[in-house]
Amino acid sequence: AQSVAQPEDQVNVAEGNPLTVKCTYSVSGNPYLFWYVQYPNRGLQFLLKYITGDNLVKGSYGFEAEFNKSQTSFHLKKPSALVSDSALYFCAVRDRGSARQLTFGSGTQLTVLP
Amino acid sequence: DAGVIQSPRHEVTEMGQEVTLRCKPISGHDYLFWYRQTMMRGLELLIYFNNNVPIDDSGMPEDRFSAKMPNASFSTLKIQPSEPRDSAVYFCASSFGSSWEKLFFGSGTQLSVL
Repeated sequence: AQSVAQPEDQVNVAEGNPLTVKCTYSVSGNPYLFWYVQYPNRGLQFLLKYITGDNLVKGSYGFEAEFNKSQTSFHLKKPSALVSDSALYFCAVRDRGSARQLTFGSGTQLTVLP
Repeated sequence: DAGVIQSPRHEVTEMGQEVTLRCKPISGHDYLFWYRQTMMRGLELLIYFNNNVPIDDSGMPEDRFSAKMPNASFSTLKIQPSEPRDSAVYFCASSFGSSWEKLFFGSGTQLSVL
């Protein structure tokens, strides 16, 4: 079985400061990992993915994520937060050996304060 | 491309009534997913199709739920009869080929069953 945990329901950060949204995962094999973002009254939008290779993955809107196999984590980061980054962020995982189904975390509400 | 189009955006109905949600995926996409989002359970996969064929419907809550994809450009999710616990936001998403995990979500249908 595959699962993903986002330990923080809410993250607040001041504009211009670095941000981190945490994600840990559990799979039986090697993972595919993803981040999606959801703005109010909208569907989720793809941000980035890790399949293999470099542990630091760069995505849309200046976001990046770091894969850490030993800690089974895939934290989302951005060096300098913008007010417009305020949204709901979802981590997702898929076990490479599993059927074509993503398991999403419960989401983390990011609020960037001006 | 207009993206994934869902209708209606909002649906309010009474318990026991039939509800039909509609989805038009992005042209050329061969995967279509139906998700349900609630505060309590987060984002749940209900069913997905590949080339119009249902592949995994294990997430469909019960026999009251059914989904069809008669052609590559249209899918429906039907609830009959509807119950208050079905109230949620229902998302349709589509994707393509080997990058199937990069889902493109519609704006969702907010369903309220009174």
